Amino acid sequence: DAGVTQSPTHLIKTRGQQVTLRCSPKSGHDTVSWYQQALGQGPQFIFQYYEEEERQRGNFPDRFSGHQFPNYSSELNVNALLLGDSALYLCASSLRQGAAFFGQGTRLTVV
Amino acid sequence: GNSVTQMEGPVTLSEEAFLTINCTYTATGYPSLFWYVQYPGEGLQLLLKATKADDKGSNKGFEATYRKETTSFHLEKGSVQVSDSAVYFCALSETYNQGGKLIFGQGTELSVKP
Repeated sequence: DAGVTQSPTHLIKTRGQQVTLRCSPKSGHDTVSWYQQALGQGPQFIFQYYEEEERQRGNFPDRFSGHQFPNYSSELNVNALLLGDSALYLCASSLRQGAAFFGQGTRLTVV
Repeated sequence: GNSVTQMEGPVTLSEEAFLTINCTYTATGYPSLFWYVQYPGEGLQLLLKATKADDKGSNKGFEATYRKETTSFHLEKGSVQVSDSAVYFCALSETYNQGGKLIFGQGTELSVKP
């Protein structure tokens, strides 16, 4: 049984560019959340998707947007990249109100 | 707002030593509490959880008890191994939904020496 899978694993982008990160949830899970983890810090909640709609949102600007597809997979889009967006981006999936399981993350470096 | 505070690291122990990592929280309502572990270069793995006061979560020799009176959820292990070296995160869910928005502490790095 595959767990949460994320792609790509590493990514380098230039300031001002746009990036799309992808996540496939654990089999049977219907809810996907995204987190940003800066170096040496705990993860910060970006948003959560359930039934293809954004259900909760953390304190992140509108440059951060997402999407959930009918097969429950999800994308995180970040526009107008800033140097400060460099971080590990983690996807977590869950089934309804169950505990969250995390993927390995995508390491984004903005230069 | 809701928050989680962990003891600062790094924590360095010898193999077979006793481990305690302190975690306290501030929350309204009845949060669920979690410990996640992150090994170098990897994502987070759920280590254990507790969903109501006085519950004890346990896994792989690690334990933590949900103490509402002291708003704490300290992680303990009786005998650590080198393979336990990792960063440990305490977290709470803001609602009864365990998969909802999680608030994390800053993490505590554990290094176990042979």
